[in-house]
Amino acid sequence: RKEVEQDPGPFNVPEGATVAFNCTYSNSASQSFFWYRQDCRKEPKLLMSVYSSGNEDGRFTAQLNRASQYISLLIRDSKLSDSATYLCVRGNNNDMRFGAGTRLTVKP
Amino acid sequence: EAQVTQNPRYLITVTGKKLTVTCSQNMNHEYMSWYRQDPGLGLRQIYYSMNVEVTDKGDVPEGYKVSRKEKRNFPLILESPSPNQTSLYFCASSPNVHGRYGYTFGSGTRLTVV
Repeated sequence: RKEVEQDPGPFNVPEGATVAFNCTYSNSASQSFFWYRQDCRKEPKLLMSVYSSGNEDGRFTAQLNRASQYISLLIRDSKLSDSATYLCVRGNNNDMRFGAGTRLTVKP
Repeated sequence: EAQVTQNPRYLITVTGKKLTVTCSQNMNHEYMSWYRQDPGLGLRQIYYSMNVEVTDKGDVPEGYKVSRKEKRNFPLILESPSPNQTSLYFCASSPNVHGRYGYTFGSGTRLTVV
């Protein structure tokens, strides 16, 4: 079983839609959680950290459920520029484990 | 500009010909790491370094070497590349060993071994 599992997608949504991704992790000792965004053939870029109480950054909301060992990312009012692959990451100190990513395409 | 710089961006080489991929960061980060990314497998850690002269194996270290003689540089060395090392490689750095701030990645090196 992979340490971090994500639905690979693709998710194809129209502009303006709300879309949610989930990710499950297997290491209950994980201390830090992140969502990264990766454009095709580019490096991953940190989108947001995920805190226990949940956190929001503009149109993006991240939530953590430690009991069920999953994190989620909600994107509201999708833009064409949101099209990318979203990587879920869990960490225990600097032992970072990446999911294989969920691909999102936002269409006009 | 704060960044992680990798070179080269693209490399095609032949089996057995030693190569080095350079990585340099200008943020005075303690922690540096190398990953490879393959379709369907996500990012897998090759080696990491918590500080100068401190390196350790990640999940897929076979066939690779690293060194950390200076804080800013963390080169990845393939002594005898093989076709199964064809992949997209990323160098990453983090301010400290706790990982609370996530990583900054370099632009990637696409390696093809024929």
